[in-house]
Amino acid sequence: EAGVAQSPRYKIIEKRQSVAFWCNPISGHATLYWYQQILGQGPKLLIQFQNNGVVDDSQLPKDRFSAERLKGVDSTLKIQPAKLEDSAVYLCASSADRGRGYTFGSGTRLTVV
Amino acid sequence: TQLLEQSPQFLSIQEGENLTVYCNSSSVFSSLQWYRQEPGEGPVLLVTVVTGGEVKKLKRLTFQFGDARKDSSLHITAAQPGDTGLYLCAGSLTGNQFYFGTGTSLTVIP
Repeated sequence: EAGVAQSPRYKIIEKRQSVAFWCNPISGHATLYWYQQILGQGPKLLIQFQNNGVVDDSQLPKDRFSAERLKGVDSTLKIQPAKLEDSAVYLCASSADRGRGYTFGSGTRLTVV
Repeated sequence: TQLLEQSPQFLSIQEGENLTVYCNSSSVFSSLQWYRQEPGEGPVLLVTVVTGGEVKKLKRLTFQFGDARKDSSLHITAAQPGDTGLYLCAGSLTGNQFYFGTGTSLTVIP
């Protein structure tokens, strides 16, 4: 089966600019996650979707981050405006059900200068 | 404050040596997973353990879930350069989502 697709792979932007990331999960996976991973650290959950509904967005900085999952399939994560501390890898993961093992995409490496 | 603390944070060993990575918490988990992540890629699931005291083996890797389901260990026998990567434990409190540990970066020198 095809894996979790993410784009772009790399993005460099200036602070205060906006950026968007796209994720296409494994077909049929109801649960989708966005994680932020600072270099050398474990991933930190930003938002969790179950189909097209938000299950947990308690750690999403809502003043600048937003995410949507229209039609319960693809998802986009947006940052506006970006800050230097947003430099990280943004990982998308999906699972067949909550609590099951995740399949991760390769991530988008964001550098804010 | 991290829910799961891993130790050591960094580990550099010679090919053929054995090593153990620890994952500790004060919380009780319904299940715990281990992932390996290579540079430029997302984490890949290695194993899931759900029962206190459970031991699972995956070739040269042995995973153990603590009796109280608060901690776990990963033991690698005769490490090889292909084992190099970031090892992450992830625990689920309620079966809803997994919280990732701080990570252990392993380098195996040929």
